[in-house]
Formats: sequence, structure tokens, C-alpha cells
Amino acid sequence: DTAVSQTPKYLVTQMGNDKSIKCEQNLGHDTMYWYKQDSKKFLKIMFSYNNKELIINETVPNRFSPKSPDKAHLNLHINSLELGDSAVYFCASSPGQGKETQYFGPGTRLLVL
Amino acid sequence: KNEVEQSPQNLTAQEGEFITINCSYSVGISALHWLQQHPGGGIVSLFMLSSGKKKHGRLIATINIQEKHSSLHITASHPRDSAVYICAVSYGQFYFGTGTSLTVIP
Repeated sequence: DTAVSQTPKYLVTQMGNDKSIKCEQNLGHDTMYWYKQDSKKFLKIMFSYNNKELIINETVPNRFSPKSPDKAHLNLHINSLELGDSAVYFCASSPGQGKETQYFGPGTRLLVL
Repeated sequence: KNEVEQSPQNLTAQEGEFITINCSYSVGISALHWLQQHPGGGIVSLFMLSSGKKKHGRLIATINIQEKHSSLHITASHPRDSAVYICAVSYGQFYFGTGTSLTVIP
């Protein structure tokens, strides 16, 4: 069983559309994350979330919103997609926050045309 | 200036060589992470350190909290070690280095 899974693996869409990327972890972890990796391979955290607290990177546009239906899922919704949103988005989870090993999903490659 | 700096950016080594990748950071941290990203894109967490040294197989990671510096060493390097190695620090937020692209030639 895959520990952290993401769907879809690839997503090609037009500018202005709204899309969602799903993430699920079966590790029983309390904390989940979303990262963006740009074309230069630079990783940047977007959100971290546990049952009690959502921490948002202040540089993330409010077109991006995480939604967690339960502890095992953290989905990423993106409104009004822009060309610059093209990137690879990684979901990850860890038992707690910050001081613990993270487990990464396989990534979702988003291309906005 | 990035909170986390890595060097070198690119590294080519012959199989069997001892490899060192360096990471310096400018913020106070609760932990430092070394990640490996394979050519296929998948990311694996190698180490999480808050002090001292950890070893896993041919990989060794060290951290000096006072100097705000960490090193990742690979002994007896192998072509399958070819990947991008990323240093990250956690202090509330996560801050990432730009990665070191390692190529090990047979």
C-alpha cells in the first residue's frame, strides 16, 4: 500500500480554470503538507495542517486553499489558474510538526496552458 | 538571500569516491532534514537531525548547531546515488535549499 498518494499524477488545464489535487496518507499521521516545486526544482512549502492548526505560507496566493475532510486527507484547491501555477505539487505527511521525518507523495505535475 | 544555502550546486564524481554536500542556514531551527529526489521526481527523506550525527548505510549526516552547518557524506559512491540532494530546515515553517545535483559516473 502506498503511504502517501496523490491524484492525479498529471494535470493539464487552461488558464482561468479551477482544479483540485487530492492527497491521502494511510500512516496515521497528524500533520500534512503541500509543497510546490518550480521549474528550477526549488521546493517551497505552501501549507502545513494538522487537526488543530493551518499554517499558511504568506506568499501563497489566496487562490490556493487546502481542504481537509478528515485527518487522512488534505486536498489542494486552486481557483483561476494562471500560467505561473505550472509546477510539480508534492503532498507530504509526518507524525507531528517540524521535528519529524516527512513522507512524500509522488507529486502532481500541473501544466497550465 | 535564501535562509538555506547548499554547496556545491552540481557535483560529478567517479564511482567509489567519497562525496560531501554542505548546507548552511541562517535561522534558528528545530530540525534539519536531508531529502533525496530521484531523476523520476520522487522525494525520499534521508535524515532528520537536531544534533550530532546519523548514519544509514553509506550515508552519514552531521550537524553543528553552533556553526549552523550540516554535511551529508556518501561513502563509496555508486551510480544509483545520482539524484538531487536537498537540505531543509524546520522552524515553524520549512525552508529549503536549492539542492545539489549529484551525478556518479561508473
